[in-house]
Amino acid sequence: KAGVTQTPRYLIKTRGQQVTLSCSPISGHRSVSWYQQTPGQGLQFLFEYFSETQRNKGNFPGRFSGRQFSNSRSEMNVSTLELGDSALYLCASSLGTSGIQETQYFGPGTRLLVL
Amino acid sequence: AQSVSQHNHHVILSEAASLELGCNYSYGGTVNLFWYVQYPGQHLQLLLKYFSGDPLVKGIKGFEAEFIKSKFSFNLRKPSVQWSDTAEYFCAVSHNTDKLIFGTGTRLQVFP
Repeated sequence: KAGVTQTPRYLIKTRGQQVTLSCSPISGHRSVSWYQQTPGQGLQFLFEYFSETQRNKGNFPGRFSGRQFSNSRSEMNVSTLELGDSALYLCASSLGTSGIQETQYFGPGTRLLVL
Repeated sequence: AQSVSQHNHHVILSEAASLELGCNYSYGGTVNLFWYVQYPGQHLQLLLKYFSGDPLVKGIKGFEAEFIKSKFSFNLRKPSVQWSDTAEYFCAVSHNTDKLIFGTGTRLQVFP
């Protein structure tokens, strides 16, 4: 079974631009979560989507948004990029229907550098 | 708010030494506990997980962890480390949602 895939793997943008990252979950997984990983803050939860609906949200500004399509693929968008948005953005997928006993499987991440 | 503490930020060991990485969490209810590992240049991989039952959990590559509810701890152990265990290790907790709360990670360096 193919793992979680993320595109692109690397991205360089300038301040003020916007960016869209893509995530394809493991086949059969309906939940997709996004995390930001930085050296200073570690891994922080952005949001989770299940069945095309945002089910959970972390403490990030409204510039960070996402969506999920009917095939469970998800996109994350960051508008008006700031230098501090430079990070590794990780996507994780899980079944989403097992109640509290869920295991998330992570993709390789998209490394975003904002200049 | 929930939090996860990993007190060891950087651990340096020689091959064959024993390893114990600490993890404490703050939530008092039912929790799911995880250890993930990130090898250099690779993505986060699940090492082991605890949902319920036997508090001693065995994972891949000889790792194990013990859930001690009274201490809110889920420490990771390995009796004899190898150079290939050099990686960053993350403890994570979830309770009633898919949201994972991660610790800040422990960087392990193993020298041959």
